Amino acid sequence: QSVLTQPPSVSGAPGQRVTISCTGSSSNIGAGYDVHWYQQLPGTAPKLLIYGNSNRPSGVPDRFSGSKSGTSASLAITGLQAEDEADYYCQSYDSSLSYVFGTGTKVTVL
Amino acid sequence: EVQLVESGGGLVQPGRSLRLSCAASGFTFDDYAMHWVRQAPGKGLEWVSGISWNSGSIGYADSVKGRFTISRDNAKNSLYLQMNSLRAEDTALYYCAKDPEAVAGRGWFDPWGQGTLVTVSS
Repeated sequence: QSVLTQPPSVSGAPGQRVTISCTGSSSNIGAGYDVHWYQQLPGTAPKLLIYGNSNRPSGVPDRFSGSKSGTSASLAITGLQAEDEADYYCQSYDSSLSYVFGTGTKVTVL
Repeated sequence: EVQLVESGGGLVQPGRSLRLSCAASGFTFDDYAMHWVRQAPGKGLEWVSGISWNSGSIGYADSVKGRFTISRDNAKNSLYLQMNSLRAEDTALYYCAKDPEAVAGRGWFDPWGQGTLVTVSS
């Protein structure tokens, strides 16, 4: 059961910038726990995109960036490309001693 | 290369049991905590369970507490999930994933295996 809220979908033309919000509460993001982001291409397993709010693993293009403020976090994709079409999930930890995921956002490249 | 390969999924009747396995390679398995995460068909991700490097710390999602048991065998570089009293709502693709720390400490999951499908139906 997702406790982090994301928009169901966002879209943009190639080259544009899109952002995905991730809204939590005082028991997870607002409690100071880090936010991480995953990209899930169709038919594949999730892949880590951003960890620790704003850090990119090696191999992830710098077109992807993350930020966190208060009880929310955001993922930005600049210079949108066709291969960025995928589902994106945020993830954090909750004071109820469990890991929590966002509801997921489908990015469509127009 | 770090690799996680799940197995053991299949079709099972409600109320029955199933045991999933995850074979790890490419890293020192007993240096890291491990997790199971599931994804129902067409749905989002749900953390199921996590276990520390030495099995000393274990956690479960409320939805599976009392029915599922996570375990690991460091000598065999393997992670397991024993699933009892299965319900239709347990139908999902089950992924194993590596934690960045020895004790699951509010971190992230990387990498993930390809998943094994569990279908609970009569």
